[in-house]
Amino acid sequence: QVQLQEAGPGLVRPSQTLSLTCTVSGGSISSSDYFWSWIRQPAGKGLEWIGRIYNSGTTNYNPSFKSRVTMSVDTSKNQFSLKMTSVTAADTAVYYCARDSDTSGYSRYNWFDPWGQGTLVIVSS
Amino acid sequence: DIQMTQSPSSLSASVGDTVTITCRASQSINIYLNWYQHKPGKAPKLLIYATSSLQSGVPSRFSGSGSGTDFALTISSLQPEDFATYFCQQSYSTPISTFGPGTKVEIK
Repeated sequence: QVQLQEAGPGLVRPSQTLSLTCTVSGGSISSSDYFWSWIRQPAGKGLEWIGRIYNSGTTNYNPSFKSRVTMSVDTSKNQFSLKMTSVTAADTAVYYCARDSDTSGYSRYNWFDPWGQGTLVIVSS
Repeated sequence: DIQMTQSPSSLSASVGDTVTITCRASQSINIYLNWYQHKPGKAPKLLIYATSSLQSGVPSRFSGSGSGTDFALTISSLQPEDFATYFCQQSYSTPISTFGPGTKVEIK
């Protein structure tokens, strides 16, 4: 059974770069055809899809984040990562990693399963 | 962007009750609508995909319906473990997904 676990600093200073990793266990990123997503939930607000990455490094980003976000994958560590630059207090949120069900890259039949438990990132000086 | 709304934002119910949560899209999304359950500190859990398909391992008291812009999640005979927040997700505009704000189901 595939499990995901987020990791990274819980506190990031304003204007700095937020860096998170998601470690996948119970399955291999490199041998699967899935996309892997980052999703966040600011306190008291709804979930926001940030973007996703394929094991080849192909990415799709939410235009709302596109200029600040970079995702990467390390198949040797079975991990994928998120970097978000120039963070502000508005980026304070619980960040989740999740696996997309879509393996084609363009199917509308797409849901997230499984998810990680999430990691809280606070942006504050 | 496709906006998703849910109602109610919260509800109180008793064990054994049947509850229905609705999700509305700002434009037609066909049947590309998924439902999740989320408990504090835990990973969100997929319940229903493609409007009405039950994810493996999810109890049959959960069901989904709808199409176009209006969708519903029904929990029949509410169990103690069902008290949680439920949210919907549209995948019509994939890869960009948007989510509903969530409905918190609390114990009466």
